[in-house]
Amino acid sequence: GAVVSQHPSRVICKSGTSVKIECRSLDFQATTMFWYRQFPKQSLMLMATSNEGSKATYEQGVEKDKFLINHASLTLSTLTVTSAHPEDSSFYICSAITDGMNTEAFFGQGTRLTVV
Amino acid sequence: LAKTTQPISMDSYEGQEVNITCSHNNIATNDYITWYQQFPSQGPRFIIQGYKTKVTNEVASLFIPADRKSSTLSLPRVSLSDTAVYYCLVGTGGGNKLTFGTGTQLKVEL
Repeated sequence: GAVVSQHPSRVICKSGTSVKIECRSLDFQATTMFWYRQFPKQSLMLMATSNEGSKATYEQGVEKDKFLINHASLTLSTLTVTSAHPEDSSFYICSAITDGMNTEAFFGQGTRLTVV
Repeated sequence: LAKTTQPISMDSYEGQEVNITCSHNNIATNDYITWYQQFPSQGPRFIIQGYKTKVTNEVASLFIPADRKSSTLSLPRVSLSDTAVYYCLVGTGGGNKLTFGTGTQLKVEL
């Protein structure tokens, strides 16, 4: 199957700093990418949907100024957590699909963010 | 989006067949049913997808009745390594978002 690479897999940052997470589709062009966050022992919560070349669509309750999403190319989307706080510590996961596919989305391996 | 309902958890033993049923009463005509597996601190991994009747691949089978209001993921002869959370999702293709339900925590013991 298609491969989605997420980087970094683990990051620790200080409160008030910003962290960027990259999501790359390695062998296909991702017209749409999704960003999720997951707290321990909970399900994945969709944060936003991004389409290449356009602004991301954020889910209700997700601060777009805090979680900046850029989908500048068909193989790369980035999530920047700005002015991070300890409550932003979570597991962030991206997924990607392309036109012509049905709902089989391919997921990155996730990024464990710890804000200290 | 069709909401899904699954059992929160299931227990099994190695070598047994495990069937996890998902209810999706509001499934739309164009929706597919997809199952994912997730291990701790990893992204979900695709298991199987179907639209109707039965689908089988090298790791699982998916049974979908004619009314498509439910589906059953069947894992033959589970092993300890099948201990994971299993998610049932319904949706269409293209840019439509995928929303995860609670999932089913499967625990396989010796």
